[in-house]
Amino acid sequence: QLQLQESGPGLVKPSETLSLTCTVSGGSISSSSYYWGWIRQPPGKGLEWIGSIYYSGSTYYNPSLKSRVTISVDTSKNQFSLKLSSVTAADTAVYYCARRGPSDAFDIWGQGTMVTVSS
Amino acid sequence: DIQMTQSPSSLSASVGDRVTITCRASQSISSYLNWYQQKPGKAPKLLIYAASSLQSGVPSRFSGSGSGTDFTLTISSLQPEDFATYYCQQSYSTPPTFGPGTKVDIK
Repeated sequence: QLQLQESGPGLVKPSETLSLTCTVSGGSISSSSYYWGWIRQPPGKGLEWIGSIYYSGSTYYNPSLKSRVTISVDTSKNQFSLKLSSVTAADTAVYYCARRGPSDAFDIWGQGTMVTVSS
Repeated sequence: DIQMTQSPSSLSASVGDRVTITCRASQSISSYLNWYQQKPGKAPKLLIYAASSLQSGVPSRFSGSGSGTDFTLTISSLQPEDFATYYCQQSYSTPPTFGPGTKVDIK
């Protein structure tokens, strides 16, 4: 059974870079049918797609965050990662990693990790 | 970006009620519409994809319909475990966007 698990610091200082990793277990990140993505949810608010990556390294980013986002993949470790630079308090959120399947829906999600931006 | 709206923003219902949630897209998205359920402190869970296809393992009391710009999620007989927030999401174009959510709570 495929599972995703986010990891990374829960506290990041303003202007610094947020870095998270999603580890995929129970299946291969190199499957040709799937994209792997990051989605965030500020406290008490809705869901915002950040970006997605294919195992080959092709990336798609939300234009609203594109200048600050980098998503990368490490197939040898079955992981993909998110870097968000120049963070502010507005980037405080629960960050989820998720798989996007052939149906174009996000069908498997990690449990989420809370990241707070504060000095 | 395609904007998604949902109505109502919240509703109160009783166990056994039939519940309908509406989602509207700012432009036609064909059938590229997905529905998720989220409980407090948990990740969203996919219920319906491609407007009307039931995700594996999801109870048959959940159903979806619609195409173009207008979509509905129906829960035929609300169960205690269904009290949650429901989100629609379009997968027609990048960036994928979500509706603001509909919170279903106990009357």
